[in-house]
Amino acid sequence: DTGVSQDPRHKITKRGQNVTFRCDPISEHNRLYWYRQTLGQGPEFLTYFQNEAQLEKSRLLSDRFSAERPKGSFSTLEIQRTEQGDSAMYLCASSSGEEETQYFGPGTRLLVL
Amino acid sequence: EDQVTQSPEALRLQEGESSSLNCSYTVSGLRGLFWYRQDPGKGPEFLFTLYSAGEEKEKERLKATLTKKESFLHITAPKPEDSATYLCAVQARALSGGSYIPTFGRGTSLIVHP
Repeated sequence: DTGVSQDPRHKITKRGQNVTFRCDPISEHNRLYWYRQTLGQGPEFLTYFQNEAQLEKSRLLSDRFSAERPKGSFSTLEIQRTEQGDSAMYLCASSSGEEETQYFGPGTRLLVL
Repeated sequence: EDQVTQSPEALRLQEGESSSLNCSYTVSGLRGLFWYRQDPGKGPEFLFTLYSAGEEKEKERLKATLTKKESFLHITAPKPEDSATYLCAVQARALSGGSYIPTFGRGTSLIVHP
């Protein structure tokens, strides 16, 4: 088991462009979470999947954000029409159905110019 | 609204100088409190999960305790390699009444000087 992986690790884009991030959870973990973290803040919950079903979505999440988890394995997070305020670290975490502990990936750092 | 407050925001210690970090919370339907360590530019690394008041967990120089309103992370005789940001999170029921989702505090930045 290699842990949670995320790709890319870094992304620089221009305002208005679309970006997509990928997360591969720990094998057999049925729960997957996306967070956003800015400097000096704790991770902020964005959305959560149990298997392929998206069960919760933060009310703070703009309609420009969308996430998928086809077949209940890897997940993608897409941001459309990026804005400078979207610059942050995007973290993915996974957990099994038997315990609540979440294991985090290394994150994708996004910079919107 | 669920809230998690960590104090102090920053802490500087000399190597060997023991101290405690605090995490106070106001949530409805708590289903676990978690401590993580985060190094700069990396994802949080899991340390402990606590589920009920009175519970304690230990790992090397770290010990986590939980009461009904707060949790403490005690660091005994810290070393420079313990320098990191320590995050606290609580797992509580979402406003929708469905799933349990986590709320993180802002963290305590710890620096241990040799």
